[in-house]
Amino acid sequence: GENVEQHPSTLSVQEGDSAVIKCTYSDSASNYFPWYKQELGKGPQLIIDIRSNVGEKKDQRIAVTLNKTAKHFSLHITETQPEDSAVYFCAARVWRNQGGKLIFGQGTELSVKP
Amino acid sequence: DAGVIQSPRHEVTEMGQEVTLRCKPISGHNSLFWYRQTMMRGLELLIYFNNNVPIDDSGMPEDRFSAKMPNASFSTLKIQPSEPRDSAVYFCASSLAAGTDTQYFGPGTRLTVL
Repeated sequence: GENVEQHPSTLSVQEGDSAVIKCTYSDSASNYFPWYKQELGKGPQLIIDIRSNVGEKKDQRIAVTLNKTAKHFSLHITETQPEDSAVYFCAARVWRNQGGKLIFGQGTELSVKP
Repeated sequence: DAGVIQSPRHEVTEMGQEVTLRCKPISGHNSLFWYRQTMMRGLELLIYFNNNVPIDDSGMPEDRFSAKMPNASFSTLKIQPSEPRDSAVYFCASSLAAGTDTQYFGPGTRLTVL
């Protein structure tokens, strides 16, 4: 069935280091992969996304890579800062009926230590 | 612009009571999604609507759960009767159209069923 696996579940880094979160998906027809950041007490907020026609996308300190053959995609955060501490979710869109729905990974709790 | 609005933000009720959660999507958005978030199961899609019509309700856990969207600016998720295992954070999200990728999440309703 539709499934998105996300690793690791927790990640602790020192301020200034890089953080990498990895996801795999099962539906080969998926063509859109967003990443959401959720801070305590708030709803998930989109931080970056990638479509299946590109292999990499960057936005300042954040980058996402996609390997469609292997059905893997990853989030890279460079020069981490304490305000990057949050839970990060990857997702993959699957198409059904008249639209698509997102299948989310289980989340990664990132802690950036000053 | 106002984002997705949810009410109430917190709800505490006793087992067996009816609970109604409310959502106002972003103006102009035609797709609306209801999610449930728990530690055990992560972020699960319950149901989504396109142009006020329910498209996929396969995530609705039981007949005790029902959702309506009487117009483009309002949706409700009702649980009747509520049970302690329904305790979770419920999110509403909206997107511009069925095939549009970006979903914008509301702040969530934290439901506690005693």
